Amino acid sequence: DTEVTQTPKHLVMGMTNKKSLKCEQHMGHRAMYWYKQKAKKPPELMFVYSYEKLSINESVPSRFSPECPNSSLLNLHLHALQPEDSALYLCASSQPTRGGTGELFFGEGSRLTVL
Amino acid sequence: GNSVTQMEGPVTLSEEAFLTINCTYTATGYPSLFWYVQYPGEGLQLLLKATKADDKGSNKGFEATYRKETTSFHLEKGSVQVSDSAVYFCALSVWGSNYKLTFGKGTLLTVNP
Repeated sequence: DTEVTQTPKHLVMGMTNKKSLKCEQHMGHRAMYWYKQKAKKPPELMFVYSYEKLSINESVPSRFSPECPNSSLLNLHLHALQPEDSALYLCASSQPTRGGTGELFFGEGSRLTVL
Repeated sequence: GNSVTQMEGPVTLSEEAFLTINCTYTATGYPSLFWYVQYPGEGLQLLLKATKADDKGSNKGFEATYRKETTSFHLEKGSVQVSDSAVYFCALSVWGSNYKLTFGKGTLLTVNP
């Protein structure tokens, strides 16, 4: 069983809709991540929160808006998406270490389809 | 910069065959190395890791040894099972990389009964 929980597992939305993806972890990790994964590709980093502050934004379009309400929760707000944004969105968490990211724990993902 | 190169798939094996998936890397600093596995319809799971040269990571019968001299971290398993069918990603993280994990392109493994 994954210790990072993502909801919903599947989401279909139109280009004018507003929706949110949610992620929760109770491992006490202080870094949380959003990744985007297209079929047959590795995950691509979108955002990193470290100690509830946005640490990395990989030049993601503003139609994706992350939010970290507390150390256990991470949201990704979606608005005016394009069909090419259809993908698997993965949340991950880790305990930051001096040696790098430390081990990342991934959720099972939210599969997004934009019509 | 940092990069990971792993063998192109797909790899198709019969049950009980020996598996090797090659992974080489370039890194600007001293990396930690990881193998992640993604089963169909699921997220990524850490399979094994190694944080310094000559370390051997192992889990579920899989092994990989951190070879600094050849900048490699090849994944091996002596006898694969149908349940090992998945996509395998080699990845690295460098000290001071500010949370960035660099992935290889992934290798799809299919094991037939």
